[in-house]
Amino acid sequence: GAGVSQTPSNKVTEKGKYVELRCDPISGHTALYWYRQSLGQGPEFLIYFQGTGAADDSGLPNDRFFAVRPEGSVSTLKIQRTERGDSAVYLCASSVGGGGSYEQYFGPGTRLTVT
Amino acid sequence: AQSVAQPEDQVNVAEGNPLTVKCTYSVSGNPYLFWYVQYPNRGLQFLLKYITGDNLVKGSYGFEAEFNKSQTSFHLKKPSALVSDSALYFCAVRGSNSNSGYALNFGKGTSLLVTP
Repeated sequence: GAGVSQTPSNKVTEKGKYVELRCDPISGHTALYWYRQSLGQGPEFLIYFQGTGAADDSGLPNDRFFAVRPEGSVSTLKIQRTERGDSAVYLCASSVGGGGSYEQYFGPGTRLTVT
Repeated sequence: AQSVAQPEDQVNVAEGNPLTVKCTYSVSGNPYLFWYVQYPNRGLQFLLKYITGDNLVKGSYGFEAEFNKSQTSFHLKKPSALVSDSALYFCAVRGSNSNSGYALNFGKGTSLLVTP
C-alpha cells in the first residue's frame, strides 16, 4: 500500500523567505510526527499530532515554525523568515496510534536548503 | 530522559560475514526499542522493535536484535551480510512523554559498509 509521502523532495530558498512542507500520512493513521534531521545526526522530534490537534509542539525550535493538520490527515509544516540554520531534512512519520508501542512509518523527507 | 547511544560511527564487514551494529540505552522504566535503516535520499525504514517478551527479536531483511537488560544493550545483528545492507542504521527508544505520542529519541546513527 501507499506509504508516507512528502512534498517537495527538495526545496531551496533564500534566507528570510517563507516555506511550506507537506506530509501525506498512511491512510487511517491517526498519529503524525514531524522530525528534523541535521547532517550526521539522528532525527529530532519537532511536533506531534493526534487527529487534528497538535498535542505537543515542544520540539519546535522557535515561533518561526508552525504546523497544521486541519482534517486529521495531511499536515503542513510552515517556516517563516527562514534562516541558514534551518537547513536540514524534515521527516514526517505516521503511526496507527500514539501509544508508543506502534512503529512509526517515515516518509522520504524534504531536504530544505536555505541560501 | 530516555536515550540511546551508538558507539560506532562506521562498521565495515565483508560480504557473507556476520555483522553487529551496537546500541546501548538509558531509560527509566521499561524500554521500548527500535531499529531503523536509512538508504541514501530515502526515509527511515522500520526494521524491528522490542517491547516485551523474547529477548531475541527478528525483523525485516534477515535482521535480528538481542535485548540485554543487564548490559542495557540492543545490538542489531545479521548472520550473513549483503552488499545491499550498506546503509545508515539508527537505534531509537520511545520517549517518556505521552503528550508527544511517545516520540522517538534516536541515536546518531552507524554507517554500515559491506564490501564484496
